[in-house]
Amino acid sequence: GIQVEQSPPDLILQEGANSTLRCNFSDSVNNLQWFHQNPWGQLINLFYIPSGTKQNGRLSATTVATERYSLLYISSSQTTDSGVYFCAADTDKLIFGTGTRLQVFP
Amino acid sequence: KAGVTQTPRYLIKTRGQQVTLSCSPISGHRSVSWYQQTPGQGLQFLFEYFSETQRNKGNFPGRFSGRQFSNSRSEMNVSTLELGDSALYLCASTVDGRLNTEAFFGQGTRLTVV
Repeated sequence: GIQVEQSPPDLILQEGANSTLRCNFSDSVNNLQWFHQNPWGQLINLFYIPSGTKQNGRLSATTVATERYSLLYISSSQTTDSGVYFCAADTDKLIFGTGTRLQVFP
Repeated sequence: KAGVTQTPRYLIKTRGQQVTLSCSPISGHRSVSWYQQTPGQGLQFLFEYFSETQRNKGNFPGRFSGRQFSNSRSEMNVSTLELGDSALYLCASTVDGRLNTEAFFGQGTRLTVV
């Protein structure tokens, strides 16, 4: 089955810094989603992005389907950005990566 | 509009018991999927229901089962609980799970088996 890998596994930033999270997938997928898991466990939708680039405020995402990767950019990070970020490859179900744990300090 | 609602939020059960978790999808969404999240295995797909039928199933033992009602609400059941079933169980709803697959998750049910 499809393998989804995320890097880096951990990221520590100071408030205001920018970061790039990467998601590689091993085969063609129907779609790709990015989520932020809040401290209470809920997965919050960030992007639903099969290809191209989307932006939402300080966050943007780019998926290059032909090269089987997606990137999540966080600019001017804030402490509220802390948490775990997951990408999920959409086949006939979601295959999740192992996540990137982001900690943003003031 | 209301999001995905999962109940209960927390559960503590004893080994050997059974448990039923509930998920109400977003209004108009007909596909409901269930996922298990553990520190060791990460997020894993359990099963998907659409129009009251199980359409897809992950690699979990038969102790894990589910169903969907005509109003698209879904329940999952775990029988003969084991310590390893302790996990966060997340439910996702999509419009149809095939053409429109953007998934929206509930807050989860955290199950502890003692």
